[in-house]
Amino acid sequence: EAGVAQSPRYKIIEKRQSVAFWCNPISGHATLYWYQQILGQGPKLLIQFQNNGVVDDSQLPKDRFSAERLKGVDSTLKIQPAKLEDSAVYLCASSSRGGDTSYEQYFGPGTRLTVT
Amino acid sequence: GEDVEQSLFLSVREGDSSVINCTYTDSSSTYLYWYKQEPGAGLQLLTYIFSNMDMKQDQRLTVLLNKKDKHLSLRIADTQTGDSAIYFCAEGDTGRRALTFGSGTRLQVQP
Repeated sequence: EAGVAQSPRYKIIEKRQSVAFWCNPISGHATLYWYQQILGQGPKLLIQFQNNGVVDDSQLPKDRFSAERLKGVDSTLKIQPAKLEDSAVYLCASSSRGGDTSYEQYFGPGTRLTVT
Repeated sequence: GEDVEQSLFLSVREGDSSVINCTYTDSSSTYLYWYKQEPGAGLQLLTYIFSNMDMKQDQRLTVLLNKKDKHLSLRIADTQTGDSAIYFCAEGDTGRRALTFGSGTRLQVQP
């Protein structure tokens, strides 16, 4: 079974530029999460999708961050404009809906963003 | 809100047992997890325990849960150099909401 795919793996941009990250979850997983992991900290949720609907975006800085999951499969996270404090690893995770394994979240390798 | 606390660093010798501790505050937590993160990699799910269990053993890993004290521990038997990584404790419920993570414990295994 293929895992969660993310691209790009690394990105360096200047502040005030825009950037987009892509995630393809495990096949059949209805729930998709984007987490932000700042160096030295644990991941923190940015947004959670159930199929193509948003379940929780309370921690998403909506003035600069946006995310979509139009067909309920892959997802894109965008930052526009980027700030220095957005430097972090952006992790995508997915989990199935219902059944015995709905509590297992599987993570992709992450995208390391450096804002200069 | 939810909070998960871990110690920052643990150093052990190869072959010894490692014990990584975690405390959490959310009494409604249904599942408690341990994830492993190696340098430059994503998070790997190691094991989890339901809140109605006291202990779970999986090969070299033993998870102990004290629900009264909201304390979780991960014991790694016969620790190897390949176990060197950052270990994250996390709490969650039935998958309807995201996980709350601790800041991670860096395990260093000395040969």
